[in-house]
Amino acid sequence: GAVVSQHPSWVICKSGTSVKIECRSLDFQATTMFWYRQFPKQSLMLMATSNEGSKATYEQGVEKDKFLINHASLTLSTLTVTSAHPEDSSFYICSPPVAGVGDTQYFGPGTRLTVL
Amino acid sequence: GNSVTQMEGPVTLSEEAFLTINCTYTATGYPSLFWYVQYPGEGLQLLLKATKADDKGSNKGFEATYRKETTSFHLEKGSVQVSDSAVYFCALSPGPGNQFYFGTGTSLTVIP
Repeated sequence: GAVVSQHPSWVICKSGTSVKIECRSLDFQATTMFWYRQFPKQSLMLMATSNEGSKATYEQGVEKDKFLINHASLTLSTLTVTSAHPEDSSFYICSPPVAGVGDTQYFGPGTRLTVL
Repeated sequence: GNSVTQMEGPVTLSEEAFLTINCTYTATGYPSLFWYVQYPGEGLQLLLKATKADDKGSNKGFEATYRKETTSFHLEKGSVQVSDSAVYFCALSPGPGNQFYFGTGTSLTVIP
């Protein structure tokens, strides 16, 4: 069954506050987690990759001080949007890389963030 | 580099009409190709995939064939239903351990 969960699924926050999004791998251990974001009516774009026990890597144009990523354990990766602004409103999705060709790629159900 | 170009929508069809959503890609190496579907308010769901040239992925009446010569992976369905209304994403993965590259998505609305 589905093996990646995210919490919360929905969050509305005020501008300037911080929001933490959790991504858990339920039945397996993930040393790496991809974080994507999807702006309204746009596609998913990779924003960063978390690595258990080391620093995350960020895609060009993504502010690492604003989007704090922590891969605390082999089953938990978190994304914290600090000092959120309305332009950060998006759909955030986590997904662990697969190990082999043909392996099922799982995506988390996503977290919809709305910043007022 | 890797990229996916997908037919822009939105697409509106009558029930039982034939559906084609075009998808072409550029990639280094031999990627796997995917179609994902996203229903309103929900996450991505794998619709079908193909891992090598000439493979045909199929599911729920949808089909797509991995065409290396034309670098395409067009999605087709012979007779759409209202329940097929969703956003469809074409995607590629260069291989295990790599990120996915997504097309911009095509919104499909099927009217009774």
